[in-house]
Amino acid sequence: DSGVTQTPKHLITATGQRVTLRCSPRSGDLSVYWYQQSLDQGLQFLIQYYNGEERAKGNILERFSAQQFPDLHSELNLSSLELGDSALYFCASSALPGRSNTEAFFGQGTRLTVV
Amino acid sequence: SQQGEEDPQALSIQEGENATMNCSYKTSINNLQWYRQNSGRGLVHLILIRSNEREKHSGRLRVTLDTSKKSSSLLITASRAADTASYFCATYKDYGQNFVFGPGTRLSVLP
Repeated sequence: DSGVTQTPKHLITATGQRVTLRCSPRSGDLSVYWYQQSLDQGLQFLIQYYNGEERAKGNILERFSAQQFPDLHSELNLSSLELGDSALYFCASSALPGRSNTEAFFGQGTRLTVV
Repeated sequence: SQQGEEDPQALSIQEGENATMNCSYKTSINNLQWYRQNSGRGLVHLILIRSNEREKHSGRLRVTLDTSKKSSSLLITASRAADTASYFCATYKDYGQNFVFGPGTRLSVLP
């Protein structure tokens, strides 16, 4: 058990809909990362938050947004869903960034299927 | 573009044999990490090697890092069927502030 909790585990929704994925980081970790894993794209970095503030942005679509709340949990919002958004969405957390021993701990992911 | 590239893409071996996977990356790094992913599950952290380290061991795992060649290798000795999984290398850059993953190596260990 990594200590990172993601809900829900599975989500099936229709095109055009909006969903929210939730992540609770490991106790004490201030950084949260979101990744998308699809069959043809591998693990793609979406966005990172550190202590409530956005720190880095990757290949995140404008239809997607995220935030980190004061209790450090994070939510990834996906809207106007398309079939191509079907993927595994992972959340990871780490301690303070910038240290040479920083490692990421991953949740079990949310499998999103858009039909 | 992705920072890390694993090689081979897929590897099939017999139980008891050793498995070696390689990872190449493009820019300077702070550390390099290896993760395992069982089919459709979350990623499990295996080992971290810092840029000033050359070799590291953890149980049946041995990782090497050659910063001059921008490459790393993961050796799994005496493999078991339970080692069947995808293995990813990930590099960490301070200023990039995210972990960049390669496409992974799919390892199959046959009983």
